[in-house]
Amino acid sequence: AQKVTQAQTEISVVEKEDVTLDCVYETRDTTYYLFWYKQPPSGELVFLIRRNSFDEQNEISGRYSWNFQKSTSSFNFTITASQVVDSAVYFCALSEAMEYGNKLVFGAGTILRVKS
Amino acid sequence: EAGVAQSPRYKIIEKRQSVAFWCNPISGHATLYWYQQILGQGPKLLIQFQNNGVVDDSQLPKDRFSAERLKGVDSTLKIQPAKLEDSAVYLCASSLVGQGGGEQYFGPGTRLTVT
Repeated sequence: AQKVTQAQTEISVVEKEDVTLDCVYETRDTTYYLFWYKQPPSGELVFLIRRNSFDEQNEISGRYSWNFQKSTSSFNFTITASQVVDSAVYFCALSEAMEYGNKLVFGAGTILRVKS
Repeated sequence: EAGVAQSPRYKIIEKRQSVAFWCNPISGHATLYWYQQILGQGPKLLIQFQNNGVVDDSQLPKDRFSAERLKGVDSTLKIQPAKLEDSAVYLCASSLVGQGGGEQYFGPGTRLTVT
């Protein structure tokens, strides 16, 4: 069975600090996809990134970066120079390869609070 | 491009009552999902449609929950009768057809409180 663990329930940082959100996953599939979503107080889940299991390249997008390591089954997310607007709940999710769409399995989420 | 629309945004009912939620996916998205998000947890998939057919409903409590997607566009999710533990946010999402890995676009959700 697929499983996603986000061990950090809540993280508080001061603005401009760097912060890393951890994600560890379990799957028996050789082909799978990993995602990060952001859920601001408004409640709508916002897609941040998708990675397939064959692409271990790290990715950087502005202040966001992701580190995918198959050897440790981890897909960690780093925000550099955090801002108050980054305050939200962040979810890591895993999906097996399917013919139609995805069946996302989400972690429990990490609440990030950025204080000014 | 319009996003995923859901209504109502909030609903309060008493236990044993019935309730229905509506979702309109992004135009052209063949795959539609309903998730249940209990406070403090990640979303859990309830049912997935491909056009108007069910792809996966393995986690849908079928004794009280039902869903349909007539004509392969809009969808409704119904709970009858509701229990206290059904209090949650119900999220609808849609994605383009295709092999796995596609991005899901989420609606704002319906927050259900069962008293």
